[in-house]
Amino acid sequence: KAGVTQTPRYLIKTRGQQVTLSCSPISGHRSVSWYQQTPGQGLQFLFEYFSETQRNKGNFPGRFSGRQFSNSRSEMNVSTLELGDSALYLCASSGMTSGNNEQFFGPGTRLTVL
Amino acid sequence: GNSVTQMEGPVTLSEEAFLTINCTYTATGYPSLFWYVQYPGEGLQLLLKATKADDKGSNKGFEATYRKETTSFHLEKGSVQVSDSAVYFCASSQGAQKLVFGQGTRLTINP
Repeated sequence: KAGVTQTPRYLIKTRGQQVTLSCSPISGHRSVSWYQQTPGQGLQFLFEYFSETQRNKGNFPGRFSGRQFSNSRSEMNVSTLELGDSALYLCASSGMTSGNNEQFFGPGTRLTVL
Repeated sequence: GNSVTQMEGPVTLSEEAFLTINCTYTATGYPSLFWYVQYPGEGLQLLLKATKADDKGSNKGFEATYRKETTSFHLEKGSVQVSDSAVYFCASSQGAQKLVFGQGTRLTINP
């Protein structure tokens, strides 16, 4: 079974631009979560989607948004980029079997904002 | 809210040494607990997990026991190898697909 894939792997943008990151979950997984990883703040939860609906949201400004498609693929968008948005963005998928909330992570997209 | 605290790094050990990385959690109920490992340039890999008190998770020689009394989930390995060098994250999750992570501990094993 193929793992979680994320595209692109690396991205360089300038302040004020917007960016869209993509995540394809493991086949059959319906839950997709996004995390931001920075040296200063560590790993922080952004949001989670299940069956095209956002179920949980972390403490991030409205510039961060996401969506999920009917095939469970997910995208996250960051508008009006700031220098502090430079981070590794990780996507994780889960099969949501009963009593099992194990998440499988992709390799991440490293975003650099100049 | 829920939180996870793990020992500050970096940790440097010699090959075949005993490893302990401490992790404690706060939660209103009984979360599931995880250890993830991150190798350079990669995402996170699940190392082991425990879903209820007194459960012991184990994988690749690593072990951790869910201790409700001390709200801890310490990671241990009896004999580390150079290939174990990585960053280790303790995490908790409570009913939702939202992991709360500790700050990570960088482990370096010298030959």
